[in-house]
Amino acid sequence: GQQLNQSPQSMFIQEGEDVSMNCTSSSIFNTWLWYKQDPGEGPVLLIALYKAGELTSNGRLTAQFGITRKDSFLNISASIPSDVGIYFCAGPKSNTGKLIFGQGTTLQVKP
Amino acid sequence: ETGVTQTPRHLVMGMTNKKSLKCEQHLGHNAMYWYKQSAKKPLELMFVYSLEERVENNSVPSRFSPECPNSSHLFLHLHTLQPEDSALYLCASSQERGYANEQFFGPGTRLTVL
Repeated sequence: GQQLNQSPQSMFIQEGEDVSMNCTSSSIFNTWLWYKQDPGEGPVLLIALYKAGELTSNGRLTAQFGITRKDSFLNISASIPSDVGIYFCAGPKSNTGKLIFGQGTTLQVKP
Repeated sequence: ETGVTQTPRHLVMGMTNKKSLKCEQHLGHNAMYWYKQSAKKPLELMFVYSLEERVENNSVPSRFSPECPNSSHLFLHLHTLQPEDSALYLCASSQERGYANEQFFGPGTRLTVL
């Protein structure tokens, strides 16, 4: 079935560094969503992508919808301690309303 | 209140108890969802409701019983749970149950089954 694979699984970086993470699938997706989850909270939607090749920014975050429709990338520039959390990619399975989630990338930022 | 709210935020229950989780969305959405999030696992979809009708049940055990009395409220009734049911239970809503369905999540209920 459809699966989303995120890499890396975890990252430990210094404050101020840029971060890149990606999400890949063997299946085509028509929408890519990126969420961030803080400890003890629900995921918060960061960026939504709807077109292949689309590049969208939200503050220091930039996400891209891969041309093949089988991948997406999230970049965070000039990381700060509050960027700590788990970042999930997600995509809808056909028209069922079912979102498939990746396993998440855990980001830790050292001040 | 704004967004999606869930109560209680934390719940500890014995295996013979009956309890309910509540979710309320203040976004005017038509679809609502229950997810289970266990440690080291991706989010697992449990139930989908669209316009108060259950449209998906992902092979969830009958000890979990959802209820959607209207498009703003969603409940998850729990009875005779097992310790492996301990997890974070997340509610979400979206405008419609469809293709480009941006889902908005509540803060979750952390459930511990003793």
